[in-house]
Amino acid sequence: GEDVEQSLFLSVREGDSSVINCTYTDSSSTYLYWYKQEPGAGLQLLTYIFSNMDMKQDQRLTVLLNKKDKHLSLRIADTQTGDSAIYFCAEIFMEYGNKLVFGAGTILRVKS
Amino acid sequence: NAGVMQNPRHLVRRRGQEARLRCSPMKGHSHVYWYRQLPEEGLKFMVYLQKENIIDESGMPKERFSAEFPKEGPSILRIQQVVRGDSAAYFCASSPQVTGEQYFGPGTRLTVT
Repeated sequence: GEDVEQSLFLSVREGDSSVINCTYTDSSSTYLYWYKQEPGAGLQLLTYIFSNMDMKQDQRLTVLLNKKDKHLSLRIADTQTGDSAIYFCAEIFMEYGNKLVFGAGTILRVKS
Repeated sequence: NAGVMQNPRHLVRRRGQEARLRCSPMKGHSHVYWYRQLPEEGLKFMVYLQKENIIDESGMPKERFSAEFPKEGPSILRIQQVVRGDSAAYFCASSPQVTGEQYFGPGTRLTVT
């Protein structure tokens, strides 16, 4: 089935690291994505990882992929108040194209 | 290169009216996806279109909903005889090719009164 799960809420202090976790279902997914959504806005593509990679780093963002456990995480270093948003992980189902299946989102709250 | 454009950004309809949501993909993108986000939920896939073709509509409700992506002009998501349960944010995404990343528009927030 198509089911992506995320923890619902994370609260961190400014300057700390944030780790947002996600489990996905399709072991054949080729790409896994992280999107950020600020209140009332659309989704911003943050980063993605190809399934043959274990880790990808992009400035303050680090994505870790454990294919055996179908577990994906997003680490944000030196979290800032501007990082407060909802973070969605998504996996691709490529039966007919790039259908993205999203988790319910993790609300990240950064306290100053 | 302008991003994905959607209009209107906010749309209010009374029950039974029709809603038309428009999406202009990024320049050079010929693949369009529509997703719906219900309050406090993630996005759910509705339909995938290429120019003049519906490729996958497995997420579309069987009745009242239709989508098109004509040769010229934006993609349209049409909801006939709207009901309160249709109130949601509708997002469009585009990609340059089948295996490309999807870039999302700002969404249309539909409220049915």
